[in-house]
Amino acid sequence: EAGVAQSPRYKIIEKRQSVAFWCNPISGHATLYWYQQILGQGPKLLIQFQNNGVVDDSQLPKDRFSAERLKGVDSTLKIQPAKLEDSAVYLCASSLGMGNSGNTIYFGEGSWLTVV
Amino acid sequence: RKEVEQDPGPFNVPEGATVAFNCTYSNSASQSFFWYRQDCRKEPKLLMSVYSSGNEDGRFTAQLNRASQYISLLIRDSKLSDSATYLCVVTPKNTGGFKTIFGAGTRLFVKA
Repeated sequence: EAGVAQSPRYKIIEKRQSVAFWCNPISGHATLYWYQQILGQGPKLLIQFQNNGVVDDSQLPKDRFSAERLKGVDSTLKIQPAKLEDSAVYLCASSLGMGNSGNTIYFGEGSWLTVV
Repeated sequence: RKEVEQDPGPFNVPEGATVAFNCTYSNSASQSFFWYRQDCRKEPKLLMSVYSSGNEDGRFTAQLNRASQYISLLIRDSKLSDSATYLCVVTPKNTGGFKTIFGAGTRLFVKA
């Protein structure tokens, strides 16, 4: 079974530039997550989709970050303009459902962003 | 207070040792609990779920204490391959459904 696919794997940009990350979840998974993981810290949830609706985006810096999941499958996460503190791994994940059942979260390998 | 708190460690233990990690959570309405393992420069992967009655999988035992709002992970007979970061995951219910919160992780180094 194919896992969560992400691209690009690595990206280096200058501050104030923009970047976009793409994610394709496991087939059939209704819930999609974007996490930001800074070195030495745990993953921080940026946004959670249930199908194509947003469940939680309370920690998404909306002045510079945006995410969409238009058809309830693939998702993109954009940062514009990037800041130095955005350097992190951006992990996309998916799960079959939400709540108590089907809540095992499967992660992609991550997109490593360095802002210089 | 953070929603999920873990001792960051690192825990340095010899092979064969028994080691235990705790994780506390602040939201008493939390519904589901998990331990994930993350190897260096890799993505997190599910280690085990934590049930109210406890859960054991080989050398790993997970416990839930709802009254004190913490979960624990016990590793017996540690192996070199157990060296990793162990992430506590809590799923409290919010108004929009369920959100998933990761702790910062506890680093374990098992030495020969």
